[in-house]
Amino acid sequence: NAGVTQTPKFQVLKTGQSMTLQCAQDMNHEYMSWYRQDPGMGLRLIHYSVGAGITDQGEVPNGYNVSRSTTEDFPLRLLSAAPSQTSVYFCASWDAGRRSEKLFFGSGTQLSVL
Amino acid sequence: SQQGEEDPQALSIQEGENATMNCSYKTSINNLQWYRQNSGRGLVHLILIRSNEREKHSGRLRVTLDTSKKSSSLLITASRAADTASYFCATDDYGNKLVFGAGTILRVKS
Repeated sequence: NAGVTQTPKFQVLKTGQSMTLQCAQDMNHEYMSWYRQDPGMGLRLIHYSVGAGITDQGEVPNGYNVSRSTTEDFPLRLLSAAPSQTSVYFCASWDAGRRSEKLFFGSGTQLSVL
Repeated sequence: SQQGEEDPQALSIQEGENATMNCSYKTSINNLQWYRQNSGRGLVHLILIRSNEREKHSGRLRVTLDTSKKSSSLLITASRAADTASYFCATDDYGNKLVFGAGTILRVKS
């Protein structure tokens, strides 16, 4: 099983550039989310989705956009990259409907904004 | 602000010793979960304890939950060098999202 797949693994951007981090899951999970991880701060929720067509903001949504057109995919868009967005980004999915209730994580994208 | 706060921030022990990490949270929860992260990798789910449970075991892991104190502890018994990792608690506050704490860095010396 592939589980949760994130691409790319590494990315370097210049300030002001835009890009999309890709996330796909093959477990038919309704719930998907994006977190960023900064040193000493654990994981902070950026955006999440409880199903296709439904998204909501997390703790730190500014500067990021998401959409959920299919159950499988949940891309994260950086509209105009800033150095403060240098971080490691994790996508996760969750089978809340079947009460397993644990998150499955991708391997992460390390993003540097210069 | 983050829901869970882990304590201690870092812990260094000898192989074979037990490791205890604590987590405090602020609001009512549906369940509390513990995750492990090896350096540079994604998080892996360890154990989940529901709000109506007080203790749960899984192999060398023991989790307790005290909802009156809004706190949980994770005990790893007979630690091994391979247990070296960061450990995070995460709370499900009925809001369709998990909120993570800042984590405890565990180092097990062989």
